[in-house]
Amino acid sequence: GQNIDQPTEMTATEGAIVQINCTYQTSGFNGLFWYQQHAGEAPTFLSYNVLDGLEEKGRFSSFLSRSKGYSYLLLKELQMKDSASYLCAVTQAAGNKLTFGGGTRVLVKP
Amino acid sequence: DVKVTQSSRYLVKRTGEKVFLECVQDMDHENMFWYRQDPGLGLRLIYFSYDVKMKEKGDIPEGYSVSREKKERFSLILESASTNQTSMYLCASISKATKYYGYTFGSGTRLTVV
Repeated sequence: GQNIDQPTEMTATEGAIVQINCTYQTSGFNGLFWYQQHAGEAPTFLSYNVLDGLEEKGRFSSFLSRSKGYSYLLLKELQMKDSASYLCAVTQAAGNKLTFGGGTRVLVKP
Repeated sequence: DVKVTQSSRYLVKRTGEKVFLECVQDMDHENMFWYRQDPGLGLRLIYFSYDVKMKEKGDIPEGYSVSREKKERFSLILESASTNQTSMYLCASISKATKYYGYTFGSGTRLTVV
């Protein structure tokens, strides 16, 4: 079966850094995605990791360790607009279905 | 920009009604998916399709069916709506050639069954 775990909720202060962890156990692996979802809206793509290491995109970075079944999303210089849910998802083959974790709700406080 | 359009943003239906949720994408994507999203449960896959007239069950297909008569359109059908199908429904599509960008999602349909 598939199992993807991430914390339910995190709170951080504007300007700070937050790290959202995701652990997964799946029968196959072809990449891990992070999505951002604001309340009442559709998820939007943030990052994709298929090889081990860190991918940096502006204030957001995503890390993957395939041997550990572990990823994290790092949000730097937090802004109020970063308050959202962050979804970790794994795919077993290109273009294939995604299996999602339950999502982590991040609340950024002034 | 890829667009995935879901026909209704909000829908209220009565128990026992047959409900159709429509999803259309405009980028010739082969693969289309229907998820439902509930608080604390995340996104769960209902059905998906990798080609016209092709469908496969996801993790929670009970009470649902789908139709894919044309490549751009993927319909989710609730055969006899029940209150436990009250949820946010999200459609998504992806091309096999653009795997690195993940899904494009529609804006969702919030369905309430009363």
